[in-house]
Amino acid sequence: DVKVTQSSRYLVKRTGEKVFLECVQDMDHENMFWYRQDPGLGLRLIYFSYDVKMKEKGDIPEGYSVSREKKERFSLILESASTNQTSMYLCASSRPWLNTEAFFGQGTRLTVV
Amino acid sequence: ELKVEQNPLFLSMQEGKNYTIYCNYSTTSDRLYWYRQDPGKSLESLFVLLSNGAVKQEGRLMASLDTKARLSTLHITAAVHDLSATYFCAVDEDRGYGGATNKLIFGTGTLLAVQP
Repeated sequence: DVKVTQSSRYLVKRTGEKVFLECVQDMDHENMFWYRQDPGLGLRLIYFSYDVKMKEKGDIPEGYSVSREKKERFSLILESASTNQTSMYLCASSRPWLNTEAFFGQGTRLTVV
Repeated sequence: ELKVEQNPLFLSMQEGKNYTIYCNYSTTSDRLYWYRQDPGKSLESLFVLLSNGAVKQEGRLMASLDTKARLSTLHITAAVHDLSATYFCAVDEDRGYGGATNKLIFGTGTLLAVQP
């Protein structure tokens, strides 16, 4: 079974803090994704990575950065957290040339106060 | 830039009725996915559609893909309460690199509420 694990289920951080969200997958997948999910807006792609140290911006990268130093781990960094970054964050991974779906972690609900 | 639109955004239906959720996308792609999300949970894969004319069925759900029309449908037959959830479609943005660097873009989701 593919497993995508996010480091925290719930996080509460203060405005201005630097926040790290970690995601680990155990199936040797090349692609990894970070999304945020807000009511009425669906899932919006923040960043994705198709290989170690390779990354591309998604639709809403402002205020975020990412790091992929190892194939199994993809980190999302909020450089200076703001209240409008309060959201559910979902990590996913996939192996593109197998033409299979992406697998998701359980999500991290981040509240910035 | 790939845009994915779903409609309706909210669907309230009675048990035993049939209905269809639509997913339109704006650029060329021949890979489309349907997911289900229960409240407070993550996304669970339902269907993978990989070519024009693809049709997949599981229980009371059937998904199809028309790449020429850039349209996928998720048809619900004789709905039951257990199908209440949010349904998302997602599309690989084909940028011509053989799939390795495709972005996966989601629609806004359809919240389905099946009433007894």
